Amino acid sequence: EVQLVESGGGVIQPGGSLRLSCSASGFTISNSYMNWVRQAPGKGLEWVSVFYSAGSTTYADSVKGRFTISRDNYMNTLSLEMNSLRVEDTAIYYCARQYCTTTSCYPGAFDYWGRGTLVTVSS
Amino acid sequence: QSVLTQPPSASATPGQRVTISCSGSSSNIGSNTVNWYQHLPGTAPKFLIYNNNRRPSGVPDRFSGSKSGTSASLAISGLQSEDEADYYCAAWDDSLNGPVFGGGTKLTVL
Repeated sequence: EVQLVESGGGVIQPGGSLRLSCSASGFTISNSYMNWVRQAPGKGLEWVSVFYSAGSTTYADSVKGRFTISRDNYMNTLSLEMNSLRVEDTAIYYCARQYCTTTSCYPGAFDYWGRGTLVTVSS
Repeated sequence: QSVLTQPPSASATPGQRVTISCSGSSSNIGSNTVNWYQHLPGTAPKFLIYNNNRRPSGVPDRFSGSKSGTSASLAISGLQSEDEADYYCAAWDDSLNGPVFGGGTKLTVL
């Protein structure tokens, strides 16, 4: 059974740093396109970053230069290092796997999600 | 402000059919496929529709998707109380080089 479990959220002051983790089971993340998606309080979903199976990464403009996505193949874990945190980064952060078949990957399609971890940036 | 535009709320009674719209532009819906999610606060979002109108395994055929030009719709027929949730559309955006979401539609089953 595929499962994604996020951890590492908490309360942090503006300008601080935090590292989120996503532990995956039931599949191998190195063969998948793994994403972080967030939801600010009362707002919609916002894509944050992707780690492609080949090793490249992409970020939303809102976090570029501040957040770093990484992958530990041995631990089958995805991480998100968040620096220079701002109040507007306050959100529930979800780990999500992009949906791919044997022949195609579907952009914007995420077939498995975790339950999220809450990050609160506040003084 | 979300890139894709959805109505903030929708409602219908059990057994009825409801549709939720999602409006975008030529850089997202107009040139890429649309996906839909069901989300109950505190839980993991559920994958409902991909490639405009395809249902992943296990999703009931009461859920259907369509796309025309720069807009898309999610239809739910035979509405049930457990369908009460937030629904989000998503599509790749060529200008932003990443996926974009709608602001979500809160569906109330009266």
